[in-house]
Amino acid sequence: GEQVEQRPPHLSVREGDSAVIICTYTDPNSYYFFWYKQEPGAGLQLLMKVFSSTEINEGQGFTVLLNKKDKQLSLNLTAAHPGDSAVYFCAVSSYGSSGNKLIFGIGTLLSVKP
Amino acid sequence: NSKVIQTPRYLVKGQGQKAKMRCIPEKGHPVVFWYQQNKNNEFKFLINFQNQEVLQQIDMTEKRFSAECPSNSPCSLEIQSSEAGDSALYLCASSLSDRGGTGQLYFGEGSKLTVL
Repeated sequence: GEQVEQRPPHLSVREGDSAVIICTYTDPNSYYFFWYKQEPGAGLQLLMKVFSSTEINEGQGFTVLLNKKDKQLSLNLTAAHPGDSAVYFCAVSSYGSSGNKLIFGIGTLLSVKP
Repeated sequence: NSKVIQTPRYLVKGQGQKAKMRCIPEKGHPVVFWYQQNKNNEFKFLINFQNQEVLQQIDMTEKRFSAECPSNSPCSLEIQSSEAGDSALYLCASSLSDRGGTGQLYFGEGSKLTVL
């Protein structure tokens, strides 16, 4: 079945540094991609949804890149701050699959030190 | 702030006990999903509904869980006889659609179940 590999599992950076998280998916029919942030004790907060037609998407303080050739999705926090400390998940949805089940990555625990 | 409301936030049950969680989806969202997130951050899809009808569910859900989304009432997920391995965060999500780009999922805060 579809698989999503996410790395690194843990990432520690200093405030102001960049942080990059990468997901690699296997299903070539994957069409919709999501990045979620989960703070301790909380649910999943959607950071960005990406459609396969757009390769570069910018949010507040981060950029999401989609490389369809290599089946990679990345989240780049450009200048991390302590409030970014959380677990980040990518999720992939395949167009045409029966229902909109998402396949999640294993998560990246990001720690941003002052 | 999440507009998907899940209750209770925490529940503690003994093995063999029933455990029931509720979810109020975002207003106007006909599709509701339940996911289980274990301590290793692995997400397992359990079941989804469109309005009151089950769209898909996994074997485990069919055998040991009961779930419903009655009209004008919260959706619910109930484990008939809790097992230690059921300890997890149960996330409810709602969506405008069950497929395609409009099917963005909005998640609640989750119900954390601990089975002693």
